[in-house]
Amino acid sequence: DVKVTQSSRYLVKRTGEKVFLECVQDMDHENMFWYRQDPGLGLRLIYFSYDVKMKEKGDIPEGYSVSREKKERFSLILESASTNQTSMYLCASGLTSGDTGELFFGEGSRLTVL
Amino acid sequence: QKEVEQNSGPLSVPEGAIASLNCTYSDRGSQSFFWYRQYSGKSPELIMFIYSNGDKEDGRFTAQLNKASQYVSLLIRDSQPSDSATYLCAVANAGNNRKLIWGLGTSLAVNP
Repeated sequence: DVKVTQSSRYLVKRTGEKVFLECVQDMDHENMFWYRQDPGLGLRLIYFSYDVKMKEKGDIPEGYSVSREKKERFSLILESASTNQTSMYLCASGLTSGDTGELFFGEGSRLTVL
Repeated sequence: QKEVEQNSGPLSVPEGAIASLNCTYSDRGSQSFFWYRQYSGKSPELIMFIYSNGDKEDGRFTAQLNKASQYVSLLIRDSQPSDSATYLCAVANAGNNRKLIWGLGTSLAVNP
């Protein structure tokens, strides 16, 4: 079975803390994505990666960075968490060729920044 | 700004009826179109994709695409209460098909 695993389902952090969200996929997919989902705003792409050590900014990269040192792992980093980063964070992976829109999502990480 | 628009709903249909979900998109160059289902508190999951004009059927689901009108729809026949969810329309960005442009979703409620 296809699996995308996010390390933490629920996190509570304080303003200014550094936050790491980890995502691992077992499908040998080239593409990996970080989205955040907020009521009324839908899914918004933060960053994506199409290869190891490669990354591209999505629509809302400000305040975030990413790391992809291995093909199966894609990390999202909040250098200094702020309250407006309270959200549901979704990791997804997908193929480069063929059905590039077929994404597999992790269960999500709900982050609350106090 | 490339956009995908969906009626937010809620769309309410009785059990056994046909549910019709609609989506329009602004990027005329888009070639790939996807329907994802998201249950409350869960992540999106792909249920249908369509690349060519016309209809594509998969079980109780039919996706319809009209590129000239920039319109894609999802029909769910014999709707079941288990179909109650938010349905997200996504369109591959013509300039970078790794990136999907997402609609905000239509909430569907199937009433027993």
